[in-house]
Amino acid sequence: EVQLLESGGGLVQPGGSLRLSCAASGFTFSSYATAWVRQAPGKGLEWVSVISSSGDNRYYADSVKGRFTVSRDNSKNTVWLQMNSLRVEDTAIYYCAQRLNGDYGPFDYWGQGTLVTVSS
Amino acid sequence: EVVMTQSPATLSGSPGERATLSCRASQSVTSNLAWYQQKPGQAPRLLIYGASTRATAIPARFSGSGSGTEFTLTISSLQSEDFAVYYCQQYNNWPLTFGGGTKVEIK
Repeated sequence: EVQLLESGGGLVQPGGSLRLSCAASGFTFSSYATAWVRQAPGKGLEWVSVISSSGDNRYYADSVKGRFTVSRDNSKNTVWLQMNSLRVEDTAIYYCAQRLNGDYGPFDYWGQGTLVTVSS
Repeated sequence: EVVMTQSPATLSGSPGERATLSCRASQSVTSNLAWYQQKPGQAPRLLIYGASTRATAIPARFSGSGSGTEFTLTISSLQSEDFAVYYCQQYNNWPLTFGGGTKVEIK
């Protein structure tokens, strides 16, 4: 059974940092790109970042570029999202999700999300 | 950036009725369009990809159509478990973008 489990969310002050983790199991992790998608309270879905299956290619939304860094360790079946210079508008549930077709396609498996709250 | 616009924002329907949801892209995304369902407190679930291919274990009452800039998700006969928010997403261009969602509620 495919499972994605996020952790690392919490309350942080504006300007602070947080590192989210996404631990995967039940599939060949190194064959699939992984994405981060967030959802602000009561709002829609916003794509944040994708890292390719090998980790060689990384993509970011303009809203987080230069502040967030995605990385992965295929030997640990884990993806991380390092979030720096956090802003109030980064408050959201952060989901990790797996791409359907390796490094391409929509997201067919999702974790349950971890809540990040940026507030003073 | 490809802007995805969904309509209507809210759709009120009764069990057994047909529901038609629309998604428009600001430029062509060919057939690289997916639909997701999200219920309160849950992660999104992939329903349709490639504009018209049902994902694993998705009931046949869900169907997708369209290409280029105009897409439709049809629920042929609403069931109680279908009342949720539906999002379209294009994966043809960076950045990946979602529509604002359509809430399907019970009339």
